[in-house]
Amino acid sequence: EPEVTQTPSHQVTQMGQEVILRCVPISNHLYFYWYRQILGQKVEFLVSFYNNEISEKSEIFDDQFSVERPDGSNFTLKIRSTKLEDSAMYFCASSEAMGQGMEKLFFGSGTQLSVL
Amino acid sequence: SQQGEEDPQALSIQEGENATMNCSYKTSINNLQWYRQNSGRGLVHLILIRSNEREKHSGRLRVTLDTSKKSSSLLITASRAADTASYFCATAPDPYGNNRLAFGKGNQVVVIP
Repeated sequence: EPEVTQTPSHQVTQMGQEVILRCVPISNHLYFYWYRQILGQKVEFLVSFYNNEISEKSEIFDDQFSVERPDGSNFTLKIRSTKLEDSAMYFCASSEAMGQGMEKLFFGSGTQLSVL
Repeated sequence: SQQGEEDPQALSIQEGENATMNCSYKTSINNLQWYRQNSGRGLVHLILIRSNEREKHSGRLRVTLDTSKKSSSLLITASRAADTASYFCATAPDPYGNNRLAFGKGNQVVVIP
């Protein structure tokens, strides 16, 4: 079964450093998402992306965050200057479309980001 | 913002028993979805129920939705050891549709062989 892949599985960085989290969505999917889960808290929506632009973003997704689809297969999340509170598990997801019957999200296994 | 909220229970049951978990939310929704997460893995979609549906079945899963009470339940019948996981409900807000799901904290279910 096709799956969303994320790399790396673990990322340790120093506060203030830039990190890029990488994702390869399922090949025929058109919508891409980033969610995150801080330890012990809920999974939170960050951003959705369609047709090479952000379609929606949450209050968490401030100027320090950006997303990009640099080629036909990768989807990246960049955090420009990491803060301690950015430490979380970051999940990439994709979906085939937005219409009825196609809302199911496929998630990757996540990247555990630790900011020291 | 919308919130999916599971009852904060950690369930520990014997194989073959049924497991029930609940979820409540605060605002109107387009649909409600349940996801499973095995330790160290990503979230796996289990079942989706629309706001105009009251009950849905998929294999050993049964989901109910009560929009008047803003609540949903997930029943896993005849549980197996492989059902051990965390289960999350997620609401898709109306009118945004699928774009931003609001997840609950999750219920940890342990099925003892």
